[in-house]
Amino acid sequence: SQTIHQWPATLVQPVGSPLSLECTVEGTSNPNLYWYRQAAGRGLQLLFYSVGIGQISSEVPQNLSASRPQDRQFILSSKKLLLSDSGFYLCAWNPGTVYEQYFGPGTRLTVT
Amino acid sequence: ILNVEQSPQSLHVQEGDSTNFTCSFPSSNFYALHWYRWETAKSPEALFVMTLNGDEKKKGRISATLNTKEGYSYLYIKGSQPEDSATYLCASARGGSSNTGKLIFGQGTTLQVKP
Repeated sequence: SQTIHQWPATLVQPVGSPLSLECTVEGTSNPNLYWYRQAAGRGLQLLFYSVGIGQISSEVPQNLSASRPQDRQFILSSKKLLLSDSGFYLCAWNPGTVYEQYFGPGTRLTVT
Repeated sequence: ILNVEQSPQSLHVQEGDSTNFTCSFPSSNFYALHWYRWETAKSPEALFVMTLNGDEKKKGRISATLNTKEGYSYLYIKGSQPEDSATYLCASARGGSSNTGKLIFGQGTTLQVKP
């Protein structure tokens, strides 16, 4: 069976510090991968998606970047965090179809 | 409609009440409509995936209907229980999404069920 992992579960970082959130999927190959964010009081926003290694599409201009160095690994990064980057970050995957999508446990990021 | 919209934004009901919420989505180039249940600090849990106009799905006390021609879906909860308290998300997949699997989410409806 497939599982999706995210870490860390929670993170408190000062403004201006770098960020690296990691997501890995087990039990499947060539998944589509997604990063979402829920900011306080707001809905779930798609940040990035990837249909293959090295292929990243950005949905919104922002202070963040994403990379996919391996087939089942998706990384969300920032060089300098802003207060507005605080939120709950979810990684998700699907097997290349619109009929399924599975979410990881999420990372709560607080920028102070 | 270009975005996915959900209403109401929040809902407070008493235990035992039945309730329903609405998801409106673009009806053009429709592929699929997803409903998720999302508890704070947890992963969204898939409830239903609906693809055909007139689809009705049921899972226990929760059911959903789909109208792809007019672009809306209803989620019903019969006899709400405190454990139903959560945010209910809907998400739409449209033409062009078939190879990316990209979903567009609504803002969610947050349900609070009081004992």
